[in-house]
Amino acid sequence: GNSVTQMEGPVTLSEEAFLTINCTYTATGYPSLFWYVQYPGEGLQLLLKATKADDKGSNKGFEATYRKETTSFHLEKGSVQVSDSAVYFCALIRYNNNDMRFGAGTRLTVKP
Amino acid sequence: EPEVTQTPSHQVTQMGQEVILRCVPISNHLYFYWYRQILGQKVEFLVSFYNNEISEKSEIFDDQFSVERPDGSNFTLKIRSTKLEDSAMYFCASRDSGANVLTFGAGSRLTVL
Repeated sequence: GNSVTQMEGPVTLSEEAFLTINCTYTATGYPSLFWYVQYPGEGLQLLLKATKADDKGSNKGFEATYRKETTSFHLEKGSVQVSDSAVYFCALIRYNNNDMRFGAGTRLTVKP
Repeated sequence: EPEVTQTPSHQVTQMGQEVILRCVPISNHLYFYWYRQILGQKVEFLVSFYNNEISEKSEIFDDQFSVERPDGSNFTLKIRSTKLEDSAMYFCASRDSGANVLTFGAGSRLTVL
């Protein structure tokens, strides 16, 4: 079946540190891949997406590249801010499939 | 920016009671979803709905759960007889036919005592 495995948290970084959150997927066919972010007390917001191999999604300084050869979609940011503290979810949706599958979520805390 | 609206934001209920969670999806979207997130845990798919019928459902979505689109704007999740383990945040989402991005509501927190 379709599934997403992402790096266990929590992750604690200092401001301006480099961030990587690993995500790998298992899916038949060619899924679209997503990162969603959940700020404290809020719902899920789309952060970025990529719909085919080698696509790079980017938003707010975050980037992730769709790597078919390694079935990965790792999230990176060169310099994190305190305001990036949130839970990050990797997700996939398979073409012509109706449900989006989420990873377990990774809690990021950025300290000043 | 269009958004998905959920009510109530928080509901407390006694075990065995019926609960209805309401959602207003984005108006031109055709696919609707319910997800559940037990506190601090992963986001779990419950059900998807298209063309006035369930298109997929997970093993969590048993006979205690039902969904309905009673009019042109609302999409509801009913839990017939709540259990303690139904306590969770319930998220509604919608998407249109041309995109594979789900837009989520802010969630409804259900607490079963």
